[in-house]
Amino acid sequence: GQQVMQIPQYQHVQEGEDFTTYCNSSTTLSNIQWYKQRPGGHPVFLIQLVKSGEVKKQKRLTFQFGEAKKNSSLHITATQTTDVGTYFCAGSVNDYKLSFGAGTTVTVRA
Amino acid sequence: NAGVTQTPKFQVLKTGQSMTLQCAQDMNHNSMYWYRQDPGMGLRLIYYSASEGTTDKGEVPNGYNVSRLNKREFSLRLESAAPSQTSVYFCASLGLDTQYFGPGTRLTVL
Repeated sequence: GQQVMQIPQYQHVQEGEDFTTYCNSSTTLSNIQWYKQRPGGHPVFLIQLVKSGEVKKQKRLTFQFGEAKKNSSLHITATQTTDVGTYFCAGSVNDYKLSFGAGTTVTVRA
Repeated sequence: NAGVTQTPKFQVLKTGQSMTLQCAQDMNHNSMYWYRQDPGMGLRLIYYSASEGTTDKGEVPNGYNVSRLNKREFSLRLESAAPSQTSVYFCASLGLDTQYFGPGTRLTVL
């Protein structure tokens, strides 16, 4: 079955620094989505990437979809304490089902 | 608009007990999902319902049953709870390629 792998599992970041989390699929995806889950909360949709090589930005967050549509990355610049949480990528191969990565849990040192 | 609601928020069961987790959405979405979230394993799909009247197994369906009662409601039943079913359960619905999650049910099986 489809597997989505996400690294690293944990990211400890000094406030103000940048970091990147990576997502890799064993199969070609029709699209990839990113979600953020704050501690004690539920996953909240951030963005969807559909096209090969697509790059989207949301303020300090930059999302990329690989040329082969099998990998993606999320880069956060100038990390803030509001960035704390777990970031999940989720790959889709059909209209209904998403396969979630295990997530990258981000903690920030002030 | 309440979005996706789940009841109960917390539940403690003894091994062998049964219970039903309730989920409802008021966004007129066709597709609904049940996930479980365990530390380090991301979100794993238990069952989903692509539309009213249909249900399909996800990644980890064993020990669970579901009912799509109508377009709004999708319930998850544990017939004989086991400690391995201790987890956080999230219901979600699909709208415009985005999954909207409920607040979750934290279940402990002793």
